[in-house]
Amino acid sequence: DTGVSQDPRHKITKRGQNVTFRCDPISEHNRLYWYRQTLGQGPEFLTYFQNEAQLEKSRLLSDRFSAERPKGSFSTLEIQRTEQGDSAMYLCASSPRGRDGYTFGSGTRLTVV
Amino acid sequence: GENVEQHPSTLSVQEGDSAVIKCTYSDSASNYFPWYKQELGKRPQLIIDIRSNVGEKKDQRIAVTLNKTAKHFSLHITETQPEDSAVYFCAAFPPSNDYKLSFGAGTTVTVRA
Repeated sequence: DTGVSQDPRHKITKRGQNVTFRCDPISEHNRLYWYRQTLGQGPEFLTYFQNEAQLEKSRLLSDRFSAERPKGSFSTLEIQRTEQGDSAMYLCASSPRGRDGYTFGSGTRLTVV
Repeated sequence: GENVEQHPSTLSVQEGDSAVIKCTYSDSASNYFPWYKQELGKRPQLIIDIRSNVGEKKDQRIAVTLNKTAKHFSLHITETQPEDSAVYFCAAFPPSNDYKLSFGAGTTVTVRA
């Protein structure tokens, strides 16, 4: 599968723990996006990278969240001191540029207990 | 920012009947409207999209219509089949950015055999 890969698929963690998710975009895509999807809702934009530069962060991304894309390839999303409200599906997407070819991964489902 | 509303939230249809999902958007300048299908546990996949310079687009059993004056767009699925059962999301891209999708809350479509 040469699509967008996310790891892990599922993560259960205790409140207060830190978690990190990884996204591997389609190799020729220089844009990478993170979205969060809660039950019964559409995905909500969190942040995006063009190559290694993080160009926008949503207000949904509190200071407990940090995302990186150090070499302009894969990206990581870290949540520190997790809270129950962080439980959601975290989706990664990539595109070559702009709107065309916007492709999602299968997501990481986080459950905070 | 852009606000997208989607109706209905659930839709049950008999196999072979048509399904229609409607979305409204708030930013009259938005000019690109994709539709995504998400099966349980899988990634959102683009099924059809429409740009603001056309009023209708069709791809086999799927069609999308756009009314820019009323700021609404609709997805039409004809001759529904069990494999059409999924959650469908509409989305909009405002022209102020070419990276952030604004999604509706989704419609769960169930096709009864």
